[in-house]
Amino acid sequence: AQSVTQPDIHITVSEGASLELRCNYSYGATPYLFWYVQSPGQGLQLLLKYFSGDTLVQGIKGFEAEFKRSQSSFNLRKPSVHWSDAAEYFCAVGARSNDYKLSFGAGTTVTVRA
Amino acid sequence: EAGVAQSPRYKIIEKRQSVAFWCNPISGHATLYWYQQILGQGPKLLIQFQNNGVVDDSQLPKDRFSAERLKGVDSTLKIQPAKLEDSAVYLCASSLGQGRTEAFFGQGTRLTVV
Repeated sequence: AQSVTQPDIHITVSEGASLELRCNYSYGATPYLFWYVQSPGQGLQLLLKYFSGDTLVQGIKGFEAEFKRSQSSFNLRKPSVHWSDAAEYFCAVGARSNDYKLSFGAGTTVTVRA
Repeated sequence: EAGVAQSPRYKIIEKRQSVAFWCNPISGHATLYWYQQILGQGPKLLIQFQNNGVVDDSQLPKDRFSAERLKGVDSTLKIQPAKLEDSAVYLCASSLGQGRTEAFFGQGTRLTVV
């Protein structure tokens, strides 16, 4: 069965500082990987996705993520955080062999201090 | 392009009462998902439809939860009777369903069972 682990429950970062959110997955085949962001009271918005090809993917709002097969990781990064980036971030994994069902991690809450 | 529409946004009911949620996916999206998101956790898949057929409902508590997708478009999720532990946000999502496509989420329905 596929699973996703986000080791950090809560991260606090200063505005303008860099941010990295960790995601580790467990799945036998090559997975499809996603990062979603959820602001309070809102649904989930897709930040970026990885299906195949270049292992460094660019997303919206200045985010990027790198797929590392050897480490089973798909970490999310942003060079300079803005106050509006305060939200909850979810990593998700899916696979064709699993009917594209998305399994989500528990999420990482990001707080941005001035 | 209109997004995934869900209603109601909020619902408060007493335990043992029944409740229904409605979802209208993005036009042309064949796959529809219902997720349950308990506070502090990542979304958990309850049921996945492909057109009007069920792909996976292994996590749906079938003694109290039911879902249908009318004519392969709109969907309703029902809980009867509700328990306190059903308090959560219920998220509907849809995707093209042809592989390698991301899921788009609605804003969710926040259910409080008292």
